[in-house]
Amino acid sequence: GEDVEQSLFLSVREGDSSVINCTYTDSSSTYLYWYKQEPGAGLQLLTYIFSNMDMKQDQRLTVLLNKKDKHLSLRIADTQTGDSAIYFCAESRYGGATNKLIFGTGTLLAVQP
Amino acid sequence: DTEVTQTPKHLVMGMTNKKSLKCEQHMGHRAMYWYKQKAKKPPELMFVYSYEKLSINESVPSRFSPECPNSSLLNLHLHALQPEDSALYLCASSQDGWQAQETQYFGPGTRLLVL
Repeated sequence: GEDVEQSLFLSVREGDSSVINCTYTDSSSTYLYWYKQEPGAGLQLLTYIFSNMDMKQDQRLTVLLNKKDKHLSLRIADTQTGDSAIYFCAESRYGGATNKLIFGTGTLLAVQP
Repeated sequence: DTEVTQTPKHLVMGMTNKKSLKCEQHMGHRAMYWYKQKAKKPPELMFVYSYEKLSINESVPSRFSPECPNSSLLNLHLHALQPEDSALYLCASSQDGWQAQETQYFGPGTRLLVL
């Protein structure tokens, strides 16, 4: 199918690690992205990973990619209340003329103080 | 400057009104996008312009009419909308739509309510 799936909700305590999971569908996707959306705002790119990589680390963020299982995860270390938001994974697909992003269903991260 | 601006922030319109949403970027990007996002859902692609030409129309009803007057500006003209068209409309831009890796930069969106 076309859907990029994520779990709906994740609740963590401040200071803990958060792990947000994503299952994508197109094995030919070359780049996979993580975006953050705060309430009432647009989307902010957090990080991306090239499909020939297994892992990418960027400060508190670690992205893991299992290409065989088409599984992507985002780990946020030392989660803060300011990390509370909806997180979307996205895969890049060729749209016949230009590339387009297909977004996952989104995970609401709630960080408890 | 990685900013994409959108006006207005909020818009309320009746089903017989004609209105326009505007989007602007000054990053030198040649690809611009319109997305529709319903509450608690992911953004859904509507249109893509690359080099001021429409390259993707995701079977959007004709009551939505996009326009790209130049490489920095993108409009979405609205006419005879339905209440189910109420949503957050997001604009984005990227290098040119053709690169294997292109970051899309998003604006803050226009929240539209159709009565």
